[in-house]
Amino acid sequence: AQSVTQLGSHVSVSEGALVLLRCNYSSSVPPYLFWYVQYPNQGLQLLLKYTTGATLVKGINGFEAEFKKSETSFHLTKPSAHMSDAAEYFCAVSSGSARQLTFGSGTQLTVLP
Amino acid sequence: NAGVTQTPKFRILKIGQSMTLQCTQDMNHNYMYWYRQDPGMGLKLIYYSVGAGITDKGEVPNGYNVSRSTTEDFPLRLELAAPSQTSVYFCASSYSGDRNSNQPQHFGDGTRLSIL
Repeated sequence: AQSVTQLGSHVSVSEGALVLLRCNYSSSVPPYLFWYVQYPNQGLQLLLKYTTGATLVKGINGFEAEFKKSETSFHLTKPSAHMSDAAEYFCAVSSGSARQLTFGSGTQLTVLP
Repeated sequence: NAGVTQTPKFRILKIGQSMTLQCTQDMNHNYMYWYRQDPGMGLKLIYYSVGAGITDKGEVPNGYNVSRSTTEDFPLRLELAAPSQTSVYFCASSYSGDRNSNQPQHFGDGTRLSIL
């Protein structure tokens, strides 16, 4: 069975600081990995997805994620946080006949002025 | 572009009542899904469908039913509402693509359901 672990249910950073949100997965090869963002009272929006062969994946809003097979990790980063980045972030892995998603429990990002 | 549309956005039910959460998508996606989101738990898969007439259970199907009579619509039915079904429900869809493609899911804005 697939599983996703997000370390840190709450992360706070200062505006302009590095954002690092951690995600570890358990999956058969190849893993299909995603990061989604959820703003208050909204649905989930795709930030980025892992494509086989690429280790560094660029997404929207300046976010990127690095796939490390040896560490089964897919951590999300952004060099400089902006107030508008405050949201909940979900890492997910897909599997099965319909590529169903298994989600991590989410990380709430707070950006401090 | 409407994408995935869910109705209603909010609903309060009494214990034992029934209701249907509606979901429709206009992207001609074969795959559709229902998830529930509870605080601190991420999203859990309730049911999914790979096409019209085909549905299957996800991780937490008890207390729910679905149908898929058309490509566009994937309603979720609660027959006897229970307090444990208080949650936020999300419908999603995705393009099937080829076997090895990594197609993302597109989500609706959710239905916030309270059972009292």
